[in-house]
Amino acid sequence: EAEVAQSPRYKITEKSQAVAFWCDPISGHATLYWYRQILGQGPELLVQFQDESVVDDSQLPKDRFSAERLKGVDSTLKIQPAELGDSAMYLCASSLGAGPGELFFGEGSRLTVL
Amino acid sequence: QKEVEQDPGPLSVPEGAIVSLNCTYSNSAFQYFMWYRQYSRKGPELLMYTYSSGNKEDGRFTAQVDKSSKYISLFIRDSQPSDSATYLCAMNSNYQLIWGAGTKLIIKP
Repeated sequence: EAEVAQSPRYKITEKSQAVAFWCDPISGHATLYWYRQILGQGPELLVQFQDESVVDDSQLPKDRFSAERLKGVDSTLKIQPAELGDSAMYLCASSLGAGPGELFFGEGSRLTVL
Repeated sequence: QKEVEQDPGPLSVPEGAIVSLNCTYSNSAFQYFMWYRQYSRKGPELLMYTYSSGNKEDGRFTAQVDKSSKYISLFIRDSQPSDSATYLCAMNSNYQLIWGAGTKLIIKP
């Protein structure tokens, strides 16, 4: 069964360090999403890609966060420098198109900033 | 006020009970309503998907949408310990998906 792959599953870092997360969506899925989920809350969209183009990054803290999907397939989310408040689960999801429809999530990358 | 309100729980019920999970929303433009299930330390997975008002049944699960009251529900019949998870409602219009905070459900054997 096709899955969304994410790595690393867990990351512990000190504040002010750089962190990177990688996501490989389901093959053929044009739309890729990065979400942040704080414990006890719903996912918060950080950035949405349609192929290699950003279609929504309105909630992405651009002073420290960056995301890219250079060839329209896999994607990287970077945080530099990490802050204590960045501790959360970072979820990647993909879907066939940008319209309403099922999102397929990876298992997430759990970040702890000390 | 959040666009989507969901009681975070936890909701603890005995095995075999009927469970009712609910969300309220304020944006009347929402047309697509979803329930995702999220097990601990995993990503969410789609459980039910409905369009506009009405009921949809899938096995032990029933999703209900009442657009006039801006209220959606998920019912679980004959609940099992394996149903213990966080249940997230989500809804959208104009391709923006808005999420509830999730309700943690615990089914006691």
